[in-house]
Amino acid sequence: GEDVEQSLFLSVREGDSSVINCTYTDSSSTYLYWYKQEPGAGLQLLTYIFSNMDMKQDQRLTVLLNKKDKHLSLRIADTQTGDSAIYFCANPGGTSYGKLTFGQGTILTVHP
Amino acid sequence: DTGVSQNPRHKITKRGQNVTFRCDPISEHNRLYWYRQTLGQGPEFLTYFQNEAQLEKSRLLSDRFSAERPKGSFSTLEIQRTEQGDSAMYLCASSLGSRTDTQYFGPGTRLTVL
Repeated sequence: GEDVEQSLFLSVREGDSSVINCTYTDSSSTYLYWYKQEPGAGLQLLTYIFSNMDMKQDQRLTVLLNKKDKHLSLRIADTQTGDSAIYFCANPGGTSYGKLTFGQGTILTVHP
Repeated sequence: DTGVSQNPRHKITKRGQNVTFRCDPISEHNRLYWYRQTLGQGPEFLTYFQNEAQLEKSRLLSDRFSAERPKGSFSTLEIQRTEQGDSAMYLCASSLGSRTDTQYFGPGTRLTVL
């Protein structure tokens, strides 16, 4: 089945850039997604990228997709303390109805 | 903003009791999903509804679990004879079934089985 892997922890200083990485095995999906989860809360959609794109920029967020290596990354520019959360990449694979397989999540800690 | 809502937000129960959770999706969304998230893990897919039809169930969904979506609107997830291993956050999501098929999640129901 599909496997999605992420590094578990990332710690940065306020104002620096954060880069969260994700690798996946099923490359048949049309879109790949990034979600954010704050403590005790549900998941908030951050952004998504179409599988035939290499890059997507959305304000402070930049998503890079390397289909050959099956690698997805999320860059957060000028990281703020409010960005501290768990970030998940999610892959619907080849299902027609978008069943998402999530990575384990990367805990981002932003220090003042 | 009428996002996905879930009730209750928290449920504490004793082992062996039955519990039921409710999810109200975004009103025009015809797809509804249930996921389970345990501590330190990403959400895992449980089941999927297209309108009122339950079209896929994960092997995680044992025979103690049942989900319904009468009339294709809200959905309920029932767990019978709860076990301590059922303690988790239960997340509901809905989508329009559009090209991007973006899933929007509710705040979740946290279940604690004592």
